[in-house]
Amino acid sequence: GAVVSQHPSRVICKSGTSVKIECRSLDFQATTMFWYRQFPKQSLMLMATSNEGSKATYEQGVEKDKFLINHASLTLSTLTVTSAHPEDSSFYICSASLGGYSNQPQHFGDGTRLSIL
Amino acid sequence: AQTVTQSQPEMSVQEAETVTLSCTYDTSENNYYLFWYKQPPSRQMILVIRQEAYKQQNATENRFSVNFQKAAKSFSLKISDSQLGDTAMYFCAFMKAMYSGGGADGLTFGKGTHLIIQP
Repeated sequence: GAVVSQHPSRVICKSGTSVKIECRSLDFQATTMFWYRQFPKQSLMLMATSNEGSKATYEQGVEKDKFLINHASLTLSTLTVTSAHPEDSSFYICSASLGGYSNQPQHFGDGTRLSIL
Repeated sequence: AQTVTQSQPEMSVQEAETVTLSCTYDTSENNYYLFWYKQPPSRQMILVIRQEAYKQQNATENRFSVNFQKAAKSFSLKISDSQLGDTAMYFCAFMKAMYSGGGADGLTFGKGTHLIIQP
């Protein structure tokens, strides 16, 4: 149980393209989902917290107009990288906790490797 | 804001040996959770062990155990009888506890320790 599916696993696209990444909780409801970014050989950095039915909360330094987050249902959150540029190339990974409570562990998707040419 | 520090960028031990990975953190929160995650080359994040700050007893999961020193803000991971499959990046992470119904908080990660188990 507690599976988080992330799609696509890898994207290669041209500069200026917008890219959408989906994060789904397959067998549980996730009121809250999280989006992280990981540069090569570095740690995961929290980008934003996605709450179902409300606006996402972005961490300091993360451009909300660049990284659009939508959490339309209890099982789906999407991250859209708008007008992507080579510096946006990174590994993006989402996580979700059961019911959105902090006493439940977070389960991670398998990540999306984004490469902007 | 909280910070998590892992001072060992890389460690290498022989198979079957015991290895300890260190982690310190800084926070003004009293209620929180601490985690160790394993990230193999596939880059999947795998939860190794979790510790609630209000529990004095150290968490254990089979060959994995922690030494949680709340006053010292230290949270080390001990891997006993290490196996080749333990080779991976290990991240220490902090999460503030939210009250029931208050939702969950994001994780703050350390920079990681690359653990190599030699045959």
